[in-house]
Amino acid sequence: NAGVTQTPKFQVLKTGQSMTLQCAQDMNHNSMYWYRQDPGMGLRLIYYSASEGTTDKGEVPNGYNVSRLNKREFSLRLESAAPSQTSVYFCASSEDARQGSKAVQFFGPGTRLTVL
Amino acid sequence: KNEVEQSPQNLTAQEGEFITINCSYSVGISALHWLQQHPGGGIVSLFMLSSGKKKHGRLIATINIQEKHSSLHITASHPRDSAVYICAVGRGSQGNLIFGKGTKLSVKP
Repeated sequence: NAGVTQTPKFQVLKTGQSMTLQCAQDMNHNSMYWYRQDPGMGLRLIYYSASEGTTDKGEVPNGYNVSRLNKREFSLRLESAAPSQTSVYFCASSEDARQGSKAVQFFGPGTRLTVL
Repeated sequence: KNEVEQSPQNLTAQEGEFITINCSYSVGISALHWLQQHPGGGIVSLFMLSSGKKKHGRLIATINIQEKHSSLHITASHPRDSAVYICAVGRGSQGNLIFGKGTKLSVKP
C-alpha cells in the first residue's frame, strides 16, 4: 500500500497562475484533509471532507477550492495564486468520520509550493 | 494566546538522555494526538490519547485532562529520535485538529 500520495512534490508559480494539488489514498478511508504548514506556525486546516460527496471549510479556506472526486481522491485548487500561499501543503486521511477527533490521521509527503 | 502551547520550542539532548516534551491546551478536548515530523518533512502519528497513559517502545505519552496538559517522554534517546514533535487536540465530533507549533528535538551522539 502506498498510503497517502501527493503530486507534485515541488511547484513554483507566478502570482495569478492557477494549479491543482492532487491527493490520493489507498486505505479506503472516509475522511480527507488539506493542511498548510508555515514557518513558526502549526499545521492549519484549509478544507476537509468528512466523507465522499461532502466538503467543509477549515481555519484558512480563503483562496482555495477543493473537490472530493471519489473516495480515494481529494484535490486542492488555487485559482489565482498569491505570494501569501507560499507554503508546504499536506494532505491527510483518516478511517472513519464517526471517530471524530479520535481518528488517527495519515499524512502524505507534502507539496512545497512557492509563489513568486 | 494559542489554544495549544508546546514547550520547549527547541531541545538538544545527548544520546541516552531522558526527554520530556510538554503540551498545554486551553480548550475542552475529546482527544490529544502526538505526531512526529521527520527532518525530510514526513509526518506520522505516534499516539492518540483521551485519558491516562500510552507506551510504544521507548515513547510514553501521558495526559491529565483536569490540568489540560500532556507530556511525551522518550527514554534512552537516540540520534534517530531527532525530529519535530507536534501536539494536536481535537474538540468534538469532527476530525478537525488544532495543532501546536512543534518542538524541535536534536539528539547528539
